[in-house]
Amino acid sequence: GAGVSQSPRYKVAKRGQDVALRCDPISGHVSLFWYQQALGQGPEFLTYFQNEAQLDKSGLPSDRFFAERPEGSVSTLKIQRTQQEDSAVYLCASSPYRGQGQPQHFGDGTRLSIL
Amino acid sequence: AQSVTQLDSQVPVFEEAPVELRCNYSSSVSVYLFWYVQYPNQGLQLLLKYLSGSTLVKGINGFEAEFNKSQTSFHLRKPSVHISDTAEYFCAVSPYTNAGKSTFGDGTTLTVKP
Repeated sequence: GAGVSQSPRYKVAKRGQDVALRCDPISGHVSLFWYQQALGQGPEFLTYFQNEAQLDKSGLPSDRFFAERPEGSVSTLKIQRTQQEDSAVYLCASSPYRGQGQPQHFGDGTRLSIL
Repeated sequence: AQSVTQLDSQVPVFEEAPVELRCNYSSSVSVYLFWYVQYPNQGLQLLLKYLSGSTLVKGINGFEAEFNKSQTSFHLRKPSVHISDTAEYFCAVSPYTNAGKSTFGDGTTLTVKP
């Protein structure tokens, strides 16, 4: 498809397990973003890539969260030793250039539930 | 740092009535401004953006917004809403100096009643 694709759409994990969330951006898009959206709230910035370089990871809530984009296309957000407070929708977005003033194209998100 | 306040968490309105969704922001640097719409179980879709120039910007689906620098506001308006406009609406800002880091408001739920 032509849009941002995220998988899985839904993920249920037990507390303490590790999870990996995948994002396929729009082909050719330089910038890629991860957000965390808690129920009833707006998206909260997690991290930002320009090609394979992670330019800003100031929003990652703890060292249990790790993101990578090794070849400048697909990205993976990994959460280690999950906690209940990690339950949220994780949104990925991409934009075609360096991001200045460019709107972001969002995927449908991965809904993560930690039991 | 930036912050975005959407002044109404829920806005109910009847079909074909006008609507305004209010957004105020705070920032120590110049910012770009955006409105996005989110339908249930979907990601966000861009409605419109303000980068520079004319303070009145027109977007998709008949929406428009006006940037007011002195009041640091970017309110979204539509003169006549449809049932299909029922959704969550988010205002967002992105600083010139770090356009990768957008800050979103908590959203306004627009419910259009027949």
